Amino acid sequence: NAGVTQTPKFQVLKTGQSMTLQCAQDMNHEYMSWYRQDPGMGLRLIHYSVGAGITDQGEVPNGYNVSRSTTEDFPLRLLSAAPSQTSVYFCASTPRGRINLKETQYFGPGTRLLVL
Amino acid sequence: AQKVTQAQTEISVVEKEDVTLDCVYETRDTTYYLFWYKQPPSGELVFLIRRNSFDEQNEISGRYSWNFQKSTSSFNFTITASQVVDSAVYFCALSTGSSNTGKLIFGQGTTLQVKP
Repeated sequence: NAGVTQTPKFQVLKTGQSMTLQCAQDMNHEYMSWYRQDPGMGLRLIHYSVGAGITDQGEVPNGYNVSRSTTEDFPLRLLSAAPSQTSVYFCASTPRGRINLKETQYFGPGTRLLVL
Repeated sequence: AQKVTQAQTEISVVEKEDVTLDCVYETRDTTYYLFWYKQPPSGELVFLIRRNSFDEQNEISGRYSWNFQKSTSSFNFTITASQVVDSAVYFCALSTGSSNTGKLIFGQGTTLQVKP
């Protein structure tokens, strides 16, 4: 299993540009989520999904769109990038119901985004 | 309101010292999960432990130990005989509800520097 993969690893955008951060998992996990990490603020939830076709907002959803057409993929779209979206983005997946497992949240390696 | 507070922003110790990282959480839910993650300088998030609200037993894993006290809403993490490789940012996180949907609330993180 590759686990949770994210592409690209690093991206530079200009203000107003759009882009999609890719996230995929091969563990057949039902739940997927996106977080952003900013200095001194920990990780904050942007959007999450409890299954294909179902998404909802997290703590900081403004400026981001998501969709979940398959169980495996959960892309994060920035429609018009702003400098405030400069951050490190982590995607995560979680299996539903298997709470007897020790580890239940699997994070991708992160995407570092710089918006100029 | 649900919240995780890691009051220690940075801690610096000398190798072989013991160090405790504090985590205080707030939630009105009776069922919840607490996590600790390590983020080394390479940037990935490394799972350390998950504890549910019904299990107040302390846990030890090698040089790591965790003290969960519901009476004080704390889930502290102690590293015994610290090593340089322990230098990292450590995050405490909270997930509420009975089904661990993967929606985590993170603390701000504590940067631990272990000097040789």
